[in-house]
Amino acid sequence: GNSVTQMEGPVTLSEEAFLTINCTYTATGYPSLFWYVQYPGEGLQLLLKATKADDKGSNKGFEATYRKETTSFHLEKGSVQVSDSAVYFCALHPNQAGTALIFGKGTTLSVSS
Amino acid sequence: GAVVSQHPSRVICKSGTSVKIECRSLDFQATTMFWYRQFPKKSLMLMATSNEGSKATYEQGVEKDKFLINHASLTLSTLTVTSAHPEDSSFYICSARGGGTSGGGEQFFGPGTRLTVL
Repeated sequence: GNSVTQMEGPVTLSEEAFLTINCTYTATGYPSLFWYVQYPGEGLQLLLKATKADDKGSNKGFEATYRKETTSFHLEKGSVQVSDSAVYFCALHPNQAGTALIFGKGTTLSVSS
Repeated sequence: GAVVSQHPSRVICKSGTSVKIECRSLDFQATTMFWYRQFPKKSLMLMATSNEGSKATYEQGVEKDKFLINHASLTLSTLTVTSAHPEDSSFYICSARGGGTSGGGEQFFGPGTRLTVL
């Protein structure tokens, strides 16, 4: 079956620190991979995505590379800001018509100044 | 980007009453809509998938008679929690996908509805 596992939080960092949030997946076939972010009191927003192996998604300084050999899609940012504090969700789409995104459990990031 | 709205944003009701939550795609036609439930500190649990004009497909363990889903048009889906009980208290999030794409298709999320059943 399809599933997503991401590192347990919370992750607490100081401003300008390096961020990594690990995400691994299991899937039949060739899924697309996503990172979504949920800021306090708001809905989920797409942060970045990658649709095939070796693709790198990037947005707002965040990056993630689709690694088929390790079935991973780790999220990284070189220098976090207080405004990055949010819950981050890794997700996959099985690339089958009519199917929904499958989410990891979410990782809470807290950045202090 | 595409916008999905939900109404109401929060609702408090008495046990035994029914509550309807609306989900609208504001600037695109949503052929498929999804309803999720988010528990505190946990991920989103997919409840059901609905395609416009057809019956919703419920995930295992989700009571279809309790959580009624209607996707009457390409821009509107409703979730009705019937005879709500305190254990139904949760954050309900809808999501919409437009077009006919099956690969890499982006889902757009509503802001969620906080349901509290007293």
